[in-house]
Amino acid sequence: AQTVTQSQPEMSVQEAETVTLSCTYDTSENNYYLFWYKQPPSRQMILVIRQEAYKQQNATENRFSVNFQKAAKSFSLKISDSQLGDTAMYFCAFTGYNNNDMRFGAGTRLTVKP
Amino acid sequence: NAGVTQTPKFQVLKTGQSMTLQCAQDMNHEYMSWYRQDPGMGLRLIHYSVGAGITDQGEVPNGYNVSRSTTEDFPLRLLSAAPSQTSVYFCASSYGDKYYEQYFGPGTRLTVT
Repeated sequence: AQTVTQSQPEMSVQEAETVTLSCTYDTSENNYYLFWYKQPPSRQMILVIRQEAYKQQNATENRFSVNFQKAAKSFSLKISDSQLGDTAMYFCAFTGYNNNDMRFGAGTRLTVKP
Repeated sequence: NAGVTQTPKFQVLKTGQSMTLQCAQDMNHEYMSWYRQDPGMGLRLIHYSVGAGITDQGEVPNGYNVSRSTTEDFPLRLLSAAPSQTSVYFCASSYGDKYYEQYFGPGTRLTVT
């Protein structure tokens, strides 16, 4: 079974600085998708960024980028120029190409300090 | 568009009671799913559906039933509530292939006493 591990329960960063959230996963599949979701205090889940395993190029979305290391089964999220509105829980998620099951990590609570 | 709506927002049940959590989407999405979120455990998939009339189990299906009679609606039934089912429940939908962004509802906080 696939598992997703986020080893940092909590992190903090100063406004305008850069922070990296870690995620590792375990799977025997070769094709899959990886996601980062954000959950602010409003509890709404919001997609931040996604990556297809067959693409070697790391995905980027404005201030958000990933470092995808397929061999190491690592999928970290980098937030540049952190803003107060980035304060939230961040969840890493995995889904295999040939199934519809989605697995989430336990989350990292990120606090951006002014 | 209203997006994904869930009712109720809060619910308290006694052990052994049954109830249905409602979920509806107006985006004509084929894929819909139910998750539960417990402290320190992230989201876990309960059941999902890839289209009307088609449902399947996720990671934690025991104690829950679903049906998908229309594209828009995907209710989750608790058959006999237990304290272990105290959680926040999220419904989500996406266009089709699981690669696409999942749109989540606002969640239902359920407490079973």
